[in-house]
Amino acid sequence: AQKVTQAQTEISVVEKEDVTLDCVYETRDTTYYLFWYKQPPSGELVFLIRRNSFDEQNEISGRYSWNFQKSTSSFNFTITASQVVDSAVYFCALSEVDTGGFKTIFGAGTRLFVKA
Amino acid sequence: GAGVSQSPRYKVAKRGQDVALRCDPISGHVSLFWYQQALGQGPEFLTYFQNEAQLDKSGLPSDRFFAERPEGSVSTLKIQRTQQEDSAVYLCASSLLRTGPLSGNTIYFGEGSWLTVV
Repeated sequence: AQKVTQAQTEISVVEKEDVTLDCVYETRDTTYYLFWYKQPPSGELVFLIRRNSFDEQNEISGRYSWNFQKSTSSFNFTITASQVVDSAVYFCALSEVDTGGFKTIFGAGTRLFVKA
Repeated sequence: GAGVSQSPRYKVAKRGQDVALRCDPISGHVSLFWYQQALGQGPEFLTYFQNEAQLDKSGLPSDRFFAERPEGSVSTLKIQRTQQEDSAVYLCASSLLRTGPLSGNTIYFGEGSWLTVV
């Protein structure tokens, strides 16, 4: 069965600190996609990144970077030089091709507080 | 606006009451999803439409939950005889293509309908 675990419920950092949000997933499929979403207080989920299971290259987008390691079934997200506007709940998610890809399984989320 | 619009934003229902939650997807979007998000949890898949066809409703928690999208645009999620455990945020999302989230196909979420059953 597929599962996404975000062990960190809440993280609090001071502005300009780096912070890493952990994500561990379980799946029996060989083809799957992993995602990160940001949920600000307004409630909508904002797409950040999608990574397929065959692409283990790490990705950097501005202050954001993602580390995908199939060997440990992890897809961690790092924010460099955090800012107050980064405060939100972040969700890691998984979609499996074999189930049609329509059911995205979300982790429980990590609430990030960035203090000025 | 140009995004996914949901109404009502907030709904308080008495236990046993029926509720209807509306979703206006982005114009032209083929795929539409409903998710339920309990407090402090991640969203959980409820159902998926491709145009007017409901292709997957395996996530609907009971037969009290019903979703429709009769003309392939606006969708309504109906909950009959609400129970306290139905209290959650109901998120609607849409995407342009029918291939779900797996292609270069971004899914856009609405801000959700916050349902409280008292």
